[in-house]
Amino acid sequence: DIQMTQSPTSLSASLGETVSIECLPSEGISNDLAWYQQKSGKSPHLLIYATSRLKDGVPSRFSGSGSGTRYSLKISDMQPEDEGDYFCQQSYKYPLTFGSGTKLEIK
Amino acid sequence: EVHLVESGGGLVQPGRSLKLSCAASRFTFSDYYMAWVRQAPKKGLEWVAIISTSGTTTYYPDSVRGRFTISRDNAKSSLYLQMNSLKSEDTATYYCAREGPRISFDYWGQGVMVTVSS
Repeated sequence: DIQMTQSPTSLSASLGETVSIECLPSEGISNDLAWYQQKSGKSPHLLIYATSRLKDGVPSRFSGSGSGTRYSLKISDMQPEDEGDYFCQQSYKYPLTFGSGTKLEIK
Repeated sequence: EVHLVESGGGLVQPGRSLKLSCAASRFTFSDYYMAWVRQAPKKGLEWVAIISTSGTTTYYPDSVRGRFTISRDNAKSSLYLQMNSLKSEDTATYYCAREGPRISFDYWGQGVMVTVSS
């Protein structure tokens, strides 16, 4: 199985700040990487697929990058509504696996 | 917008069975792979099963293979998860999800809670 090591576990950011979350697959996943946001008590929402493709309607302050065994999600100009948990997911190989999550809070 | 509504959750004893349902609407259900993803309390996400558009192809992780069965009824726009031989570690919120681009999950239901306890 492909293990997805996600970091940091948690972080806090001020409004307007830029934050980054990293995901390290245990083997190459050929850019088959998605990012999800989950707000407290709600279901997850897709933000980005194929490493860097934004789902329609997702604000452009979200961006994704990476290749091989290193991927990241960047949130520019942190907004109050960005608070929540973030998860990466690989779809290169079954079983599909998720990172352990990053809790993002407003400082 | 795409609408997914899960049902069938509840409290069940270890070793017993439970069947979850997901009613889909506002999209052509038969055009999409569908999946179940679960989340144990205060934990991360775990993919549970996925099924092809026709229902002929399914995949599972080792943790549920042989105990869980995913199925669908395209005529009813419904997805199902039959869970047998339930264990305490199956306790989680179960989400129905539509497969999006590159096997991401682009729409999720609100989730249904399953508690396995004696």
